Amino acid sequence: GAGVSQSPSNKVTEKGKDVELRCDPISGHTALYWYRQSLGQGLEFLIYFQGNSAPDKSGLPSDRFSAERTGGSVSTLTIQRTQQEDSAVYLCASSPLRGSNQPQHFGDGTRLSIL
Amino acid sequence: DAKTTQPPSMDCAEGRAANLPCNHSTISGNEYVYWYRQIHSQGPQYIIHGLKNNETNEMASLIITEDRKSSTLILPHATLRDTAVYYCIVRVANNAGNMLTFGGGTRLMVKP
Repeated sequence: GAGVSQSPSNKVTEKGKDVELRCDPISGHTALYWYRQSLGQGLEFLIYFQGNSAPDKSGLPSDRFSAERTGGSVSTLTIQRTQQEDSAVYLCASSPLRGSNQPQHFGDGTRLSIL
Repeated sequence: DAKTTQPPSMDCAEGRAANLPCNHSTISGNEYVYWYRQIHSQGPQYIIHGLKNNETNEMASLIITEDRKSSTLILPHATLRDTAVYYCIVRVANNAGNMLTFGGGTRLMVKP
């Protein structure tokens, strides 16, 4: 498709399990961003990638969170030993080039529920 | 990035123009104005952006005042599907990190 694709759209898992969230950005977009949004709240920045490197990991809430991007395209966000406070919608966005005025385009997110 | 102020909510009749204001009085010369919206259970959707000239695309028009301290997003013929929270963001195009920060936004309710 033409837009940012995220999978799964919904994920329910038990506390303590690991989860992996996937983002497929718009083709040709070199910049990729992960955010999360809790119910009724604004966006919380997690990490961004320029190509395969992540210059800014400052938003990752703990060392249980990690992300990687391979081939300058697909990215995965992994949460280890999930906790109930990890429940949120995890959003991915991409844009053509860091430093340009081009906007970020978002996927519809993965709704993560930790039981 | 400059702070923005938007009314928390607005109503609009279906088929009429929806005019959503945004104040950004501390905007600096190299900051752009971006508009996004978020419909329930979906990711934020980019609408339009501009620097100082008025802009128009297939979704909306963006009117930026000459002093750039405020702007208005115009949806020319609002439909029920335009009901959403609309966010006005002001940011430098090449700031480090480039992450987006959404404020409270305006909850637009389009009514039949």
